[in-house]
Amino acid sequence: NAGVTQTPKFRILKIGQSMTLQCTQDMNHNYMYWYRQDPGMGLKLIYYSVGAGITDKGEVPNGYNVSRSTTEDFPLRLELAAPSQTSVYFCASRTDRVSGYTFGSGTRLTVV
Amino acid sequence: QKEVEQNSGPLSVPEGAIASLNCTYSDRGSQSFFWYRQYSGKSPELIMFIYSNGDKEDGRFTAQLNKASQYVSLLIRDSQPSDSATYLCAVNPGPSGGYQKVTFGTGTKLQVIP
Repeated sequence: NAGVTQTPKFRILKIGQSMTLQCTQDMNHNYMYWYRQDPGMGLKLIYYSVGAGITDKGEVPNGYNVSRSTTEDFPLRLELAAPSQTSVYFCASRTDRVSGYTFGSGTRLTVV
Repeated sequence: QKEVEQNSGPLSVPEGAIASLNCTYSDRGSQSFFWYRQYSGKSPELIMFIYSNGDKEDGRFTAQLNKASQYVSLLIRDSQPSDSATYLCAVNPGPSGGYQKVTFGTGTKLQVIP
């Protein structure tokens, strides 16, 4: 099993550009999450989904959008990139709402 | 007040010693608790979870939970240099806190000295 796969691993964006971070899992997990991790700040929840067609905002959703058309895929869209979005982004999934996460390998994004 | 607090460290222990990592949380209704290990430049990896008061052992790792004191800890016995990493405590709230709003601590950096 591949687990949770994120692409790309690294990306440099210019201010105002847009991009989509891809996340795919092959564990048939209904619950999927996007986090960002900044140095010394811990992991902050951006968006989450409890199943195909269902998404909701987390702690820091501004500047981002998500969709969940299938159980496997949960892409994160950045519109009008800003330097404040420079971070490491992790996608995660879990089998139910009380179990631990399986994380993807992360995307390191720099906005210049 | 931070919802999940950890000492940022670094915590330095000699090889073969016991490393003790601590975490406190504010939501008394929290139901499940996790420890993740994160090597530098890598993603977090789940190493322990605990739901009930008391101790849970898995190999060299022991998780301890005290809900009355709102305290969870991770003990690593016979620490090895390969245990050097940042350890993240995560707390899963109960229904009143919103099951999805898992809160992470900022992590404790552990250094095991050979």
